[in-house]
Amino acid sequence: AAGVIQSPRHLIKEKRETATLKCYPIPRHDTVYWYQQGPGQDPQFLISFYEKMQSDKGSIPDRFSAQQFSDYHSELNMSSLELGDSALYFCASSLGGRGRDGYTFGSGTRLTVV
Amino acid sequence: AQSVSQHNHHVILSEAASLELGCNYSYGGTVNLFWYVQYPGQHLQLLLKYFSGDPLVKGIKGFEAEFIKSKFSFNLRKPSVQWSDTAEYFCAVSGGYNKLIFGAGTRLAVHP
Repeated sequence: AAGVIQSPRHLIKEKRETATLKCYPIPRHDTVYWYQQGPGQDPQFLISFYEKMQSDKGSIPDRFSAQQFSDYHSELNMSSLELGDSALYFCASSLGGRGRDGYTFGSGTRLTVV
Repeated sequence: AQSVSQHNHHVILSEAASLELGCNYSYGGTVNLFWYVQYPGQHLQLLLKYFSGDPLVKGIKGFEAEFIKSKFSFNLRKPSVQWSDTAEYFCAVSGGYNKLIFGAGTRLAVHP
């Protein structure tokens, strides 16, 4: 079965650079969630989109922005990268925002800022 | 605000021992409850979930969890762990059209 696809799997950037992470949800899922998981930490909610509109916002820095496109894929744009942005970024998708299928997660993008 | 508390940060067991990981949540409305497992270097995988009905939920790999509304708890159990269960386990809660809120996680190490 198709899963949540994230790209790239690994990304190395220098401080003050920009990065774009992509997330392709499970077909027919209309809700996407972004999480940041620092080393040894629990996933922290960043932002979510339902039917291409922002549905909720968590601890997302102002340097980050995101959107959901007409095909329901989502992109997380990160600017002025800092060392502390190094983390695993997960995307999850669900249908209708209720997560009845358990919010299926992608494999994540591991971002390293040097 | 929603919050999730996992009592044990690190658990070490021998194979065949029984496992119980505690999870308490704080939320004023109807909640959906989840347990996820994260193997080293991998993404989160759903073990089981509770929305309504029978408070005893059975998941994959022999795991189960019991929702006790009066205690705001959703503890994860497994009668006999295996070395392959070594992973980090996250309890999570969501309410309605809402994101998942995760607990801090419990690192389980199972020794042969």
